[in-house]
Amino acid sequence: DAGITQSPRHKVTETGTPVTLRCHQTENHRYMYWYRQDPGHGLRLIHYSYGVKDTDKGEVSDGYSVSRSKTEDFLLTLESATSSQTSVYFCAISESKVKEGYTFGSGTRLTVV
Amino acid sequence: GQQVMQIPQYQHVQEGEDFTTYCNSSTTLSNIQWYKQRPGGHPVFLIQLVKSGEVKKQKRLTFQFGEAKKNSSLHITATQTTDVGTYFCAGPEAAGNKLTFGGGTRVLVKP
Repeated sequence: DAGITQSPRHKVTETGTPVTLRCHQTENHRYMYWYRQDPGHGLRLIHYSYGVKDTDKGEVSDGYSVSRSKTEDFLLTLESATSSQTSVYFCAISESKVKEGYTFGSGTRLTVV
Repeated sequence: GQQVMQIPQYQHVQEGEDFTTYCNSSTTLSNIQWYKQRPGGHPVFLIQLVKSGEVKKQKRLTFQFGEAKKNSSLHITATQTTDVGTYFCAGPEAAGNKLTFGGGTRVLVKP
């Protein structure tokens, strides 16, 4: 959707290397989220942010860290990638916490070999 | 914690037929949202229901929120190949900070 972009779209990396995924929005929305999607598990929340420098953990946060130094950017870092982190990662934004629908980015397909 | 479950996990539908997918929450919800994800795509917000017993329609799609606000359904009439995809429901956690998504219903349409 217009207003939210994820980069890169695809990435292959080796086990043990650090990886950073970027989510950029032009909507000036306060809330930003990182999800991972795996077959049989639906969408699972990794981390979310409710403002600049304000972040919190989701249900599958182990092995991931996030940073939000500007309203428009939300970074997801895999400190030391593992094969279990092979997944499709989606960023989402919303203007309010849960009272409006989320807008999702196009996703990043990450493969850890 | 809160759980949101969807049934069925898969739905094979003959083109032109109707079908319904169901969403059930372990807790009472302040609202329920529905999303559609086309194959290879990203989830797209469809609709939000807020009131007990609320029914909303979008062309051939009818969404309903249960009286107890713990369940919801999506009914598609005269299924078309454009309906292919995975439909997710999502509800706010009790603390209200984020949504919990159901596992989705993957819809396959047979022409």
